[in-house]
Amino acid sequence: SQKIEQNSEALNIQEGKTATLTCNYTNYSPAYLQWYRQDPGRGPVFLLLIRENEKEKRKERLKVTFDTTLKQSLFHITASQPADSATYLCAGNNRKLIWGLGTSLAVNP
Amino acid sequence: SAVISQKPSRDICQRGTSLTIQCQVDSQVTMMFWYRQQPGQSLTLIATANQGSEATYESGFVIDKFPISRPNLTFSTLTVSNMSPEDSSIYLCSVDLAGINNEQFFGPGTRLTVL
Repeated sequence: SQKIEQNSEALNIQEGKTATLTCNYTNYSPAYLQWYRQDPGRGPVFLLLIRENEKEKRKERLKVTFDTTLKQSLFHITASQPADSATYLCAGNNRKLIWGLGTSLAVNP
Repeated sequence: SAVISQKPSRDICQRGTSLTIQCQVDSQVTMMFWYRQQPGQSLTLIATANQGSEATYESGFVIDKFPISRPNLTFSTLTVSNMSPEDSSIYLCSVDLAGINNEQFFGPGTRLTVL
């Protein structure tokens, strides 16, 4: 079946470092991938969308890559801050969006 | 962008009862979506609510269990019927503003606990 898989283990990093989160897709080829942030008790908030013909996209301290050979997207947060602590969700389009479980990020001061 | 509100924000219900969740958007939208987010599971689409037509349900979800209304372009309701503890979850509505890169805007969610 079509799947979006993300690191299941929480990521703990030191403030100021770069956080890198992974999203892998299997059994299909999404035309685009989206990244969302979700805080406890809140709905997901859209961050970035990257299309399959785009290698990389940036928005302020965020960078997303799309590697169709590896079937993978990487999500980077540079100069991370404690306020970046949240769960980050990856979603790939098909007839509908297929969502990953999310990766929890904790940025320690 | 879109601002979405949901009511109630949380509820604790008894087995066998029903709960109706409301979703209000600050602009007119064609499509509204209802999701379920259970602990340890990814966001799962329940149905797509279109104004003026029946909702489209995903595999595993049926209208008798999750009836949906869409009376106008800014409002929708999802009812969770004849609840059991397995229905305990966060229920989220979202909208997809056509032409804005397919990003979805989500409401804050309704946390439902069924005893």
